[in-house]
Amino acid sequence: KAGVTQTPRYLIKTRGQQVTLSCSPISGHRSVSWYQQTPGQGLQFLFEYFSETQRNKGNFPGRFSGRQFSNSRSEMNVSTLELGDSALYLCASSSGGAGGAFFGQGTRLTVV
Amino acid sequence: KNEVEQSPQNLTAQEGEFITINCSYSVGISALHWLQQHPGGGIVSLFMLSSGKKKHGRLIATINIQEKHSSLHITASHPRDSAVYICAATSGNTGKLIFGQGTTLQVKP
Repeated sequence: KAGVTQTPRYLIKTRGQQVTLSCSPISGHRSVSWYQQTPGQGLQFLFEYFSETQRNKGNFPGRFSGRQFSNSRSEMNVSTLELGDSALYLCASSSGGAGGAFFGQGTRLTVV
Repeated sequence: KNEVEQSPQNLTAQEGEFITINCSYSVGISALHWLQQHPGGGIVSLFMLSSGKKKHGRLIATINIQEKHSSLHITASHPRDSAVYICAATSGNTGKLIFGQGTTLQVKP
């Protein structure tokens, strides 16, 4: 089984721009969760999508949004980038039930 | 107080030592995960537990549901075990993970 694939792996953007990150889950997994990891705040939950619906949402501003497609692939979008958005963005896929979470390698976003 | 607490935050050990990392949680959980992250690397899921004990190689994870406590043990530690170890809880039937602060482990040769 192929693992969780995140693209791109690295990204450099300028303040004020927007960015879209992609996550392809393990085949058959219907849940995709997104997390932000920064040195100061650690790992924080952004949102979870299950069967194309947002099931849970963390405490992030509306600049952070996401969606999930019918093939379970998910995208997250950050608009009007700020320097503080520089982070490793991780997605994890699961079956959505009692199964384990499988992480992608992450996308390292640098905002300059 | 965080819903998931880990201790210690930092741990230095000599090669060959037995290592224990602890995790306590205050929420009702459906599963407890132990994750590993090497410097600059991605996250690897080591274990998912809902009860009892699991073993994989030199790694052992245990959970006590009544006490809301889990431990990760590393036997015969090796420098390549140096990494950040994170416990994370899932609550209910969702994919959302609640993370501990992580334990940075350094194993010296």
